[in-house]
Amino acid sequence: GNSVTQMEGPVTLSEEAFLTINCTYTATGYPSLFWYVQYPGEGLQLLLKATKADDKGSNKGFEATYRKETTSFHLEKGSVQVSDSAVYFCALSDNTNAGKSTFGDGTTLTVKP
Amino acid sequence: DAGVIQSPRHEVTEMGQEVTLRCKPISGHDYLFWYRQTMMRGLELLIYFNNNVPIDDSGMPEDRFSAKMPNASFSTLKIQPSEPRDSAVYFCASSDGQGPYEQYFGPGTRLTVT
Repeated sequence: GNSVTQMEGPVTLSEEAFLTINCTYTATGYPSLFWYVQYPGEGLQLLLKATKADDKGSNKGFEATYRKETTSFHLEKGSVQVSDSAVYFCALSDNTNAGKSTFGDGTTLTVKP
Repeated sequence: DAGVIQSPRHEVTEMGQEVTLRCKPISGHDYLFWYRQTMMRGLELLIYFNNNVPIDDSGMPEDRFSAKMPNASFSTLKIQPSEPRDSAVYFCASSDGQGPYEQYFGPGTRLTVT
């Protein structure tokens, strides 16, 4: 079956530091990959996505590249802000599961001023 | 669009009482998902529907939990009787069923059972 493994947290960084959150996956077929973000007290919201190998998803300064050879989709940001403090979830979906997504366990990021 | 709408946002109830959570998906979305989130177990998929029909309810913890989707714009998750271990945040999400199947989440209902 499908699975997503995320870097364990929590992660604490100073403002303007470089962020990497690792994500690897196992899937049948050709999945689409996502990063969702959950701010305190809110639901998850899509941060970025990639639908095929070598695609790069980007949004709000965050980037992730779909690496089929290493089955990875690592999230990066060059300079984090306090407002980026949130929980980040890596996820995948594929046609064989008819719309159902598989989520990682989430990584909590805290950015200190 | 208003996004996925959930009600109530907060619910506090006593053990043994019936609890009903409500969800209105985004108009035109064919898939609806119910999740539960706790610190201990993280995000769990409880059940999901396609075109109002339950597709997979293997995540429903026990018979005390039931979910319905009487039409394309409304779904309920019911817990009867409720127990303290049901305390969690319950999310509803919807998807348009077109690849890549990204999901849109509601704000959640925080349930506390005392």
